[in-house]
Amino acid sequence: GAGVSQSPSNKVTEKGKDVELRCDPISGHTALYWYRQSLGQGLEFLIYFQGNSAPDKSGLPSDRFSAERTGGSVSTLTIQRTQQEDSAVYLCASSLGRGGQSGIQYFGAGTRLSVL
Amino acid sequence: DQQVKQNSPSLSVQEGRISILNCDYTNSMFDYFLWYKKYPAEGPTFLISISSIKDKNEDGRFTVFLNKSAKHLSLHIVPSQPGDSAVYFCAASGGGTGANNLFFGTGTRLTVIP
Repeated sequence: GAGVSQSPSNKVTEKGKDVELRCDPISGHTALYWYRQSLGQGLEFLIYFQGNSAPDKSGLPSDRFSAERTGGSVSTLTIQRTQQEDSAVYLCASSLGRGGQSGIQYFGAGTRLSVL
Repeated sequence: DQQVKQNSPSLSVQEGRISILNCDYTNSMFDYFLWYKKYPAEGPTFLISISSIKDKNEDGRFTVFLNKSAKHLSLHIVPSQPGDSAVYFCAASGGGTGANNLFFGTGTRLTVIP
């Protein structure tokens, strides 16, 4: 498809389980971002990938969160030992580059994670 | 610390009238500003942007105004249409901040009444 694709669209899990969320960015976009949006909040930055550079992990809330980007394309966000406060919509975005007009980010529809 | 603020959580406007959505920011190193529109169960969709070297950018019914001295930007939609009903997020970025991400406001829910 032409846009950013995320799967699954919804995920319900039990507290303490691990989850994996997938993002397929727009073809040709070198930058990939993960954000999360908790109820009533704005988008909170989690992690940024740019080409082959080391990712910017400055937004990850704890060491239970990790992400990979394989082959410069698909990315997986993993949350280990999920907690109820992890419940949120997890959004992935991609952009051509960083900053200014090339930094315009295009978002997927998100994965709604519910931790029971 | 919220660097981008949208102080109005909601706004209702009559169809055909002007909608004005406001946004304030605190970091003077931001140099690019964007508006996103979000429908329920969808991701944010890019709407319009403005560089800090400009004070106005227009695209059809949508105009963004930037007042750098006041650290304020606004989105004008005229005429407003029922299909414009959505949550609007203001966002900012800046190479000078050293950050790679966009900083988002908490959003304003616009309802356009037919």
